[in-house]
Amino acid sequence: DADVTQTPRNRITKTGKRIMLECSQTKGHDRMYWYRQDPGLGLRLIYYSFDVKDINKGEISDGYSVSRQAQAKFSLSLESAIPNQTALYFCATSDNPGDYGYTFGSGTRLTVV
Amino acid sequence: QKEVEQDPGPLSVPEGAIVSLNCTYSNSAFQYFMWYRQYSRKGPELLMYTYSSGNKEDGRFTAQVDKSSKYISLFIRDSQPSDSATYLCAMMSRGGTYKYIFGTGTRLKVLA
Repeated sequence: DADVTQTPRNRITKTGKRIMLECSQTKGHDRMYWYRQDPGLGLRLIYYSFDVKDINKGEISDGYSVSRQAQAKFSLSLESAIPNQTALYFCATSDNPGDYGYTFGSGTRLTVV
Repeated sequence: QKEVEQDPGPLSVPEGAIVSLNCTYSNSAFQYFMWYRQYSRKGPELLMYTYSSGNKEDGRFTAQVDKSSKYISLFIRDSQPSDSATYLCAMMSRGGTYKYIFGTGTRLKVLA
């Protein structure tokens, strides 16, 4: 099993729909992150959580919300999807404080039509 | 100006060539420098990381950091077709404001 599992792998949804992307990890890491990746713009941070009770906005949090249900689970919601939220979404985890590398999931390709 | 700049490529080289991938940055608070490799339809995976200035070698890969020039490099020796991927640099600062920034990635193609 993968260390970081994202579901679904692919999703097509309509404008205005609510959608949730889920992430679970078996690394035992406290820190979890949601990124989106767009061509030419790279990886941009949406939200991050350093432990279950800690949620922080990243650089592009508008239009998104998150929930940290447990140490191992971190979900991202689009309350009312719009076409410019079409992107590749990645969940990642990291340890604290000595591990400077992130472990990424395989991503969710989201298309909003 | 972006905090981290990386040439998007694509960069095409013949098998066996030495590859040089680079990033420049503007924030002198960055202390940790990472390189990730991303294959198509996969998430990035950590390749190497370096703290502060200097070189670090791991097999065919060498990471180099020049903080005075705000410039980092990844060298790949004896490149293989399996090295074909997108390479992303990343940088982190600690203390004060936590910041972890990725470059946009350079697409590398190694031709057999």
